[in-house]
Amino acid sequence: AAGVIQSPRHLIKEKRETATLKCYPIPRHDTVYWYQQGPGQDPQFLISFYEKMQSDKGSIPDRFSAQQFSDYHSELNMSSLELGDSALYFCASSLGGGRRSNEQFFGPGTRLTVL
Amino acid sequence: GQQVMQIPQYQHVQEGEDFTTYCNSSTTLSNIQWYKQRPGGHPVFLIQLVKSGEVKKQKRLTFQFGEAKKNSSLHITATQTTDVGTYFCAGLGTYKYIFGTGTRLKVLA
Repeated sequence: AAGVIQSPRHLIKEKRETATLKCYPIPRHDTVYWYQQGPGQDPQFLISFYEKMQSDKGSIPDRFSAQQFSDYHSELNMSSLELGDSALYFCASSLGGGRRSNEQFFGPGTRLTVL
Repeated sequence: GQQVMQIPQYQHVQEGEDFTTYCNSSTTLSNIQWYKQRPGGHPVFLIQLVKSGEVKKQKRLTFQFGEAKKNSSLHITATQTTDVGTYFCAGLGTYKYIFGTGTRLKVLA
């Protein structure tokens, strides 16, 4: 069965550079979530999209932005990168979002290292 | 803001022993989900509980949602080495899922 695809899997950037992470949800899933997980920590919710509209916002810094495109894939854009942005970034997708509750399928994650 | 805490943070058990992790929310939850994350892996959905007092079983795993919908527990009977990983609860509050702090389980053979 198709799973959530994230690219790239690994990314190394310098401080103050920009990065773009991509997420391709499971076919027919209409909701995408972005999470940031630091070493030994729990996933922190950043932002989510339902039917291409932002549905919820968590602890996403102003330096980050995200969007969901017409084909339902999503991109997380990160600018002015800081050392503290080094983390594993997960994308998850589900069918039916907004305020309804559904199982989230997580992608393999993108490991971002900021030097 | 809404917080979801889990205890214990770490648990080492001998293979065959039981294991329980507890999840406590500062606010009432619409539902709660449980995920397992293996070292180096991504969270994998285990189950979702919606009703107050709900109990669900999956083989050796028993999940419970509190009457007040503010706490939940996951109990594993007779742990196996394949149970190793971090178990997260994720509570649906007003608008979004808040992950618990996680319980890291080590099973000693």
